[in-house]
Amino acid sequence: AQKVTQAQTEISVVEKEDVTLDCVYETRDTTYYLFWYKQPPSGELVFLIRRNSFDEQNEISGRYSWNFQKSTSSFNFTITASQVVDSAVYFCAVRAQKLVFGQGTRLTINP
Amino acid sequence: EAGVAQSPRYKIIEKRQSVAFWCNPISGHATLYWYQQILGQGPKLLIQFQNNGVVDDSQLPKDRFSAERLKGVDSTLKIQPAKLEDSAVYLCASGGSSGLSSYNEQFFGPGTRLTVL
Repeated sequence: AQKVTQAQTEISVVEKEDVTLDCVYETRDTTYYLFWYKQPPSGELVFLIRRNSFDEQNEISGRYSWNFQKSTSSFNFTITASQVVDSAVYFCAVRAQKLVFGQGTRLTINP
Repeated sequence: EAGVAQSPRYKIIEKRQSVAFWCNPISGHATLYWYQQILGQGPKLLIQFQNNGVVDDSQLPKDRFSAERLKGVDSTLKIQPAKLEDSAVYLCASGGSSGLSSYNEQFFGPGTRLTVL
């Protein structure tokens, strides 16, 4: 069975602060994919990143960075210099047989 | 490129009524998914199609939910009869392939928000 735990239900920070969203996953499969999605108030899920289980390189895209650590089954997401537009619910997900989402973390960036 | 289209965007019904949702995937995408997202939770897969065949419907409450993708393009999801606990956002997604070895990003539509009174 697959499972994703996002322990932080809600996070609130002031603009320009750095913030890290935690994600811990469980799967018995050796081959799997990890994802992060953003869900703004409009409701649509926006794809942010995909990582396969054999690629533990960290990735940076602008203000976003991801830290994949297989040893701790974690795939954390950091936003540097946060902006109000980053306010949304963020979902981590794992896919072996099917895409399984965590409960999400509601991120609020205050001006 | 047009994204995944869904309609209606909102629907309010009373319990025991029937409702249907429609999804038009991205052109050329063979795989289509329906998810249920209850308020405060992550999306949960209900059913996955590969072309017009069902790949996974293990989490679909088959006593009241049904889905079809007759021509391998558009899909409809039906609930009959609806219960209060069916209130949720129903998301449709499409992707290029369901094979694990291939790139399998899913593109999501805007969702249909269902309220059952």
